[in-house]
Amino acid sequence: AQTVTQSQPEMSVQEAETVTLSCTYDTSESDYYLFWYKQPPSRQMILVIRQEAYKQQNATENRFSVNFQKAAKSFSLKISDSQLGDAAMYFCAYTDYGNKLVFGAGTILRVKS
Amino acid sequence: ETGVTQTPRHLVMGMTNKKSLKCEQHLGHNAMYWYKQSAKKPLELMFVYSLEERVENNSVPSRFSPECPNSSHLFLHLHTLQPEDSALYLCASSQEGLATSTNTEAFFGQGTRLTVV
Repeated sequence: AQTVTQSQPEMSVQEAETVTLSCTYDTSESDYYLFWYKQPPSRQMILVIRQEAYKQQNATENRFSVNFQKAAKSFSLKISDSQLGDAAMYFCAYTDYGNKLVFGAGTILRVKS
Repeated sequence: ETGVTQTPRHLVMGMTNKKSLKCEQHLGHNAMYWYKQSAKKPLELMFVYSLEERVENNSVPSRFSPECPNSSHLFLHLHTLQPEDSALYLCASSQEGLATSTNTEAFFGQGTRLTVV
């Protein structure tokens, strides 16, 4: 069974600084997708970024980028120029060619002004 | 707003009550999901409906009963719940399977905060 592990229950970053959230996963599949979702206090889950496993190039979305290491089964999220609005719970998620989106336990990100 | 609406936002129920959670999406998606979010635990997938047929049931107790009358609506019927069932219940929708299109993503509702007393 696929599993997703986020080893950092909580992280803090100073406004305008950079922070990296860690995620590892376990799968025997070669084709799959990885996601980072953000859940602010409003509870609305929002997709931040996605990565296709067959792509070697790391995905980027404005201030958000990933470091995808397929051999190591690692998928970290880097947030540059952190803003107060980035404070939220961040979930790493995995899916292959089924309908199952498997989530990690989440990392709470606090942004200090 | 992501296009997925859940009602009610908050629900307090006794262990002998029967209640239902409702999820509605108008995104044209044909797959809908129920997730349970408990404190300090990973999000747990409960049920998946694809084209109105249940395709996944992750060993969820029978006191949770899903219903998908059409592709836009998903219900979770609750009866004789236990205090440990208190959690945030999230509904999501997507087009087809999550990994069948490079643009597919799951859209989530804001959840129902359920407290069982």
